Amino acid sequence: GAVVSQHPSRVICKSGTSVKIECRSLDFQATTMFWYRQFPKQSLMLMATSNEGSKATYEQGVEKDKFLINHASLTLSTLTVTSAHPEDSSFYICSATHTQGLETQYFGPGTRLLVL
Amino acid sequence: SQQGEEDPQALSIQEGENATMNCSYKTSINNLQWYRQNSGRGLVHLILIRSNEREKHSGRLRVTLDTSKKSSSLLITASRAADTASYFCATAPGGYQKVTFGTGTKLQVIP
Repeated sequence: GAVVSQHPSRVICKSGTSVKIECRSLDFQATTMFWYRQFPKQSLMLMATSNEGSKATYEQGVEKDKFLINHASLTLSTLTVTSAHPEDSSFYICSATHTQGLETQYFGPGTRLLVL
Repeated sequence: SQQGEEDPQALSIQEGENATMNCSYKTSINNLQWYRQNSGRGLVHLILIRSNEREKHSGRLRVTLDTSKKSSSLLITASRAADTASYFCATAPGGYQKVTFGTGTKLQVIP
């Protein structure tokens, strides 16, 4: 149980295009979903916290107009990188907390974004 | 700055040996968690220890927490090549609030 999926697993796009990444909790309802970014050989940096039906809370320094987050249901959150640039190339990971157990986060497998 | 600092940054051991990783943090916590990440993959939750606990076991894993020193350690006993991964500690100030990840320890277990 507690499986989180992400789609796509890998994406290459041209500079200036927008990319949407989906995060789904497959077998549980997620109260909260988190979006992280991880640069090579570095730790995870929290970008935003997303609660179903409400606006996401962004961390300091993260542009909310550039990284659009939509959390339409208890099992799906999407991150859209708008007008992507090469510096947005990174590994994006989502996680979700179960409605029954709020302490443990279950992580998706990640999405590797390469912007040319 | 990040909440957790881990050491060593990298660790290389022979299969069968024990591996110890340490994590220090700066502020009060409700719980501390350890995660494993295989190269280029998502994170796998290993173990959670609450602030009122001092030691916890799960299989070959043993975690200690010293809140007076604001530090935790993860011990992997009888290591296997499959344990090769990066290990991160993550701290949470309380409840379901966001966690902050440490810098990670890259463990290599040589067969």
